[in-house]
Amino acid sequence: DVKVTQSSRYLVKRTGEKVFLECVQDMDHENMFWYRQDPGLGLRLIYFSYDVKMKEKGDIPEGYSVSREKKERFSLILESASTNQTSMYLCAILKRGQPQHFGDGTRLSIL
Amino acid sequence: AQTVTQSQPEMSVQEAETVTLSCTYDTSENNYYLFWYKQPPSRQMILVIRQEAYKQQNATENRFSVNFQKAAKSFSLKISDSQLGDTAMYFCAFRGLPTDKLIFGTGTRLQVFP
Repeated sequence: DVKVTQSSRYLVKRTGEKVFLECVQDMDHENMFWYRQDPGLGLRLIYFSYDVKMKEKGDIPEGYSVSREKKERFSLILESASTNQTSMYLCAILKRGQPQHFGDGTRLSIL
Repeated sequence: AQTVTQSQPEMSVQEAETVTLSCTYDTSENNYYLFWYKQPPSRQMILVIRQEAYKQQNATENRFSVNFQKAAKSFSLKISDSQLGDTAMYFCAFRGLPTDKLIFGTGTRLQVFP
């Protein structure tokens, strides 16, 4: 079975903090994605990566950055967290020609 | 740019009945994939069914089937013999080629009543 592990199910941080969300996969998949999910808006793509040290902006990259130093790990970084970044964050992986597989999500609250 | 529209924010159905969730999309591409994902309260996104645009035959997975109308850019999901475990958010998603990015609709919350 494909396993996508997000480091936290719930996370509470304060405005202005630097926040790291981690995603780890065990399938040696090249492609990894970060989405945020908000009621009434569905899932929106923040960043994605096709390979180690490669990254591309998605539809809503403002306020976020990413890091992919190793193939199995894709980190989403909130440089200075703001209340409008309170959301559910979902990581996904993809092997070319296959559907995306998702992690369980991190519900992040910024106070 | 591609867009995906789910016009039904919420739906309900009685157990054992059939329900159809609507999805329309907009694209100028000829080859692409369409997906339905289910997200139960546990939050895990689960692939329900997928359709390749070049295939005319509608995809079927047990109680789940789609009505794919390429010319109309419509991709509805039919759930037959609904079960309580089908209660979830359902998302329609589009993936063009060669990009691997998924574009999601806003979701339909389905409630199955006993």
